[in-house]
Amino acid sequence: AQSVTQLDSHVSVSEGTPVLLRCNYSSSYSPSLFWYVQHPNKGLQLLLKYTSAATLVKGINGFEAEFKKSETSFHLTKPSAHMSDAAEYFCVVSEGNTPLVFGKGTRLSVIA
Amino acid sequence: EAGVVQSPRYKIIEKKQPVAFWCNPISGHNTLYWYLQNLGQGPELLIRYENEEAVDDSQLPKDRFSAERLKGVDSTLKIQPAELGDSAVYLCASSLETGTGYEAFFGQGTRLTVV
Repeated sequence: AQSVTQLDSHVSVSEGTPVLLRCNYSSSYSPSLFWYVQHPNKGLQLLLKYTSAATLVKGINGFEAEFKKSETSFHLTKPSAHMSDAAEYFCVVSEGNTPLVFGKGTRLSVIA
Repeated sequence: EAGVVQSPRYKIIEKKQPVAFWCNPISGHNTLYWYLQNLGQGPELLIRYENEEAVDDSQLPKDRFSAERLKGVDSTLKIQPAELGDSAVYLCASSLETGTGYEAFFGQGTRLTVV
């Protein structure tokens, strides 16, 4: 069965510095991978998705992620953090006809 | 286009009481999910519908939880009786289909507190 491991439960960065949120996945087939963001008291919003096309995926708000099959990783990055990026981020995997499987989440704090 | 709508947003009940949550998915979406999100955790699937058929309900505690999706559109999730440990956020999501590349769109959730 597919699964994801988010390697950091909490990441803290200064405003204007790069963001790196790490995710490793486990999948028997060619997976689809997603990053979702959840702001306090808001619904989950899709940031970006990988579906076996380009390995470097660009998403909303300047985020991007790179699918690395050899490392089974799908890390989320952003060149410059903004205060509004502070939220909970979830790495998500799906394969074939299966529903989305979420990681435990990484809380991103942005310090002014 | 309206997103996934859930109600109520918040619910406080006493233990052993029944409670129901309602979800209206995005129009035309065949797949509907109910996820449970405990504090500080990622969402976990409770049940998945393809149209009106429950195709994945292995994680649904069937002794107290039930769900239905009449006519393949709206869905309700019920807990009877509620226990203290059921306090969590219940998320509804929908997607066009289930399969490679189909992302799910989530509602804002119902935060349940059992006292």
